[in-house]
This record gives sequence, structure tokens and C-alpha cells, in this order.
Amino acid sequence: QSVLTQPPSASGTPGQRVTISCSGSRSNIGSNSGYWYQQLPGTAPKLFIYGNNQRPSGVPDRFSGSKSGTSASLAISGLRSEDEADYYCAAWDDSLSGWVFGGGTKLTVL
Amino acid sequence: EVQLLESGGGLVQPGGSLRLSCAASGFTFSSSGMSWVRQAPGKGLEWVSGISGSDGRTYYADSVKGRFTISRDNSKNTLYLQMNSLRAEDTAVYYCAKLYCSDGSCYWGQGTLVTVSS
Repeated sequence: QSVLTQPPSASGTPGQRVTISCSGSRSNIGSNSGYWYQQLPGTAPKLFIYGNNQRPSGVPDRFSGSKSGTSASLAISGLRSEDEADYYCAAWDDSLSGWVFGGGTKLTVL
Repeated sequence: EVQLLESGGGLVQPGGSLRLSCAASGFTFSSSGMSWVRQAPGKGLEWVSGISGSDGRTYYADSVKGRFTISRDNSKNTLYLQMNSLRAEDTAVYYCAKLYCSDGSCYWGQGTLVTVSS
């Protein structure tokens, strides 16, 4: 049972817009920055969003992050086949004094 | 170029010990908080332990508290994870990671596999 709650799966067709949600609490997303990672099969996670809505250099601007209260979201517009991957949200948790992750969302491009 | 290179993984029997290392380069390791994150086969990411850059304060997930010890040697730019009393459920790929970044400078290593089995 993950501290942050994500849907286990999401899907869309090429060109569509897809949103992945991440529900937390006041002690994690509610008071700290949210992060999003993309993980391709057999590889290490790669940072896609930090500071709730900031993209590292090299991440396409089709990816955007947002935060509202104790929830965060990752939106992917103009969906492409190479976006098919697992996506994880993360945040520091003040109550647990540790990092917490969502259970991951497997994105399928139909 | 930033690199985090883990080593020390392998096969160990239940109850045994293993020490993981993570050699860092390409960024200011000594002032960076660092973590170990693991991923069991076919499962999601689980934060295991962290250590602050400034004062060396350590943090642990409940699942490993009392069994694992995180440490760092800033003179060698190396992060460690001493794992004792290993259990089958500790089987996972262990990643060394810089999780906190206010400027996009978050990094992960390629991971090292730990298998606990008799």
C-alpha cells in the first residue's frame, strides 16, 4: 500500500492528452514539492517533473505537472508511442521523515 | 557528466549481510542529500534510506530500520548501504539516487541487484 495513490493504468491513442493523478496528504504533497519519474522497462527512473511543475532540460514540453492541495497531476499532450512507460510520483513526507512514492501508473499508447 | 555507479549486489542467504556502494561524480556530492531506493521484481519504487549532505543525519523506512545502515564518505564521493539480517523480501534492484533538487539536478544510478535466497 503506497502512501501516494496513483491509478495503476492509463491509456490513450497517439495525439491524445492523458492525465495521471497522484493523491497524497498534507504531510507530503500538501507541504512539499512533487516529483514525477518515467521508467522504461529495464532502466532506472528518469526525472520528468520537479518542483511540482518544472521540467528538467531535455524533457519535452508535451509533459506538464501541476499541484492542487494534496494532489499532483502529470499531463501528457500529443501522446506518442515512446511515452509508453511506467510513471511514478514522489514527495518528501514530513510526518514519516522520508520519501514516499506512488505505486506507479503504466501508460499504454493504443 | 553526472555518474552514480552502484556496486556490491549479489546473491546472499537469508540472515546474511551485504554492503552496497555508490560512487558519485559530476556534482557536489558532499553537500547533496542522498538516498537508496529499491524496486522488487515487477513492483514499484520503495524508498529505503537517506542521508543529508549538511549534517549527515540519517533516515530509514520502517521496513529496514534496525537492519540497514546508510553512511557516506565525502572524501571518496561514495555512499554506502550496509544491509544485515537480510530477508527474502529485501530482494530487489537497489538504486542510489539524489532525490531532492530545486533546479532539476536529481540523479539516479543504474541499480544493483540484491537477491536473498537459500
